[in-house]
Amino acid sequence: DSGVTQTPKHLITATGQRVTLRCSPRSGDLSVYWYQQSLDQGLQFLIQYYNGEERAKGNILERFSAQQFPDLHSELNLSSLELGDSALYFCASSPISGGSRTGELFFGEGSRLTVL
Amino acid sequence: AQRVTQPEKLLSVFKGAPVELKCNYSYSGSPELFWYVQYSRQRLQLLLRHISRESIKGFTADLNKGETSFHLKKPFAQEEDSAMYYCALIVGIGAGSYQLTFGKGTKLSVIP
Repeated sequence: DSGVTQTPKHLITATGQRVTLRCSPRSGDLSVYWYQQSLDQGLQFLIQYYNGEERAKGNILERFSAQQFPDLHSELNLSSLELGDSALYFCASSPISGGSRTGELFFGEGSRLTVL
Repeated sequence: AQRVTQPEKLLSVFKGAPVELKCNYSYSGSPELFWYVQYSRQRLQLLLRHISRESIKGFTADLNKGETSFHLKKPFAQEEDSAMYYCALIVGIGAGSYQLTFGKGTKLSVIP
């Protein structure tokens, strides 16, 4: 499968802990986006990377951080976890802008985080 | 700052009835809008974009700049249309990349 892959699919942890979510973009895509999906807030944009550099920040907490590595995979680090951090975390990738493909994000299946 | 509003969390319609999923946006620039769909146990995926003026799976959406709306419509709902629908606005952030702002989504339930 050459689509966006995310690991782990499910993760259960305790408050105060730290977890790392991993994302591999589609082959050739340079941009990686992280979104948090919860029942009340819908899809909340967290952060975007483009070719290894941070490009945009959304509603990302200071306890959260991310990076994109030279091979273009990305990791989202969530620390000092709270009950409210329980959510589905999506990664998406996109081709460069311009042309008919602009605006099309390709999403992974998500990582479901449960904080107990 | 840009914002996308989907006023309905849940919309239930009978099979064969018309469907309209509402989307309003706030953006100071020239908007580019999209509809994304998430079927049960599938990935979120692009449904249609306003610039291509296409009809996908019988759905259409017209950008109304005067009303700042981009409502998604289908004349006759089918059971397979049941899904979560997200309206999204694109903002260019320079040098070959862009950001999508999503609404909170509307869950469409088509009753047989």
